Amino acid sequence: AQSVTQLGSHVSVSEGALVLLRCNYSSSVPPYLFWYVQYPNQGLQLLLKYTSAATLVKGINGFEAEFKKSETSFHLTKPSAHMSDAAEYFCAVSASSYKLIFGSGTRLLVRP
Amino acid sequence: EAGVVQSPRYKIIEKKQPVAFWCNPISGHNTLYWYRQNLGQGPELLIRYENEEAVDDSQLPKDRFSAERLKGVDSTLKIQPAELGDSAVYLCASSSGQTLDTQYFGPGTRLTVL
Repeated sequence: AQSVTQLGSHVSVSEGALVLLRCNYSSSVPPYLFWYVQYPNQGLQLLLKYTSAATLVKGINGFEAEFKKSETSFHLTKPSAHMSDAAEYFCAVSASSYKLIFGSGTRLLVRP
Repeated sequence: EAGVVQSPRYKIIEKKQPVAFWCNPISGHNTLYWYRQNLGQGPELLIRYENEEAVDDSQLPKDRFSAERLKGVDSTLKIQPAELGDSAVYLCASSSGQTLDTQYFGPGTRLTVL
């Protein structure tokens, strides 16, 4: 069985500050891990994915995430937040890439 | 290239009424997914199609939900009769079907059951 826990339903940062969104996973097999972003009234858009290659994964819009097996974590970071980053972010785990198990999401607020 | 198209975008119905959602995937994508996203939650897979075959419908409440993808292209998800607890956003996604291929999501249909 697989599951995802996203710590913090809301995260607030100032514009220009570091963004850190936390994701911990549970998986009985080597996982594939994903981060998606959802803007209001839109579908989910893939930010990045880990597929057992490099543990540091770079995505779109300046985001990156690091796979840490010992900590069962896949936290999302961005060095400097922009106002346009305000959205909801979902971490997901999969054993196959077909069936994604999503976390409950973290809403990122960016203060001017 | 057009993305995943869904209609309607919003639907309000009274309980016990039927409702249907339509999805047109990205051209050439063989795999189609329907997800349900409850308020404040992540999406949950309802059903996955490979071409016209439903290969994973284990999470679909079959007593009231049905889906079809007759020609392996567009798809319809139906609820009959709707219950108050069915209020949610219904998302459609598609992928090429290759291993680890990205799932591309449509904007969803927001269903409100009164």
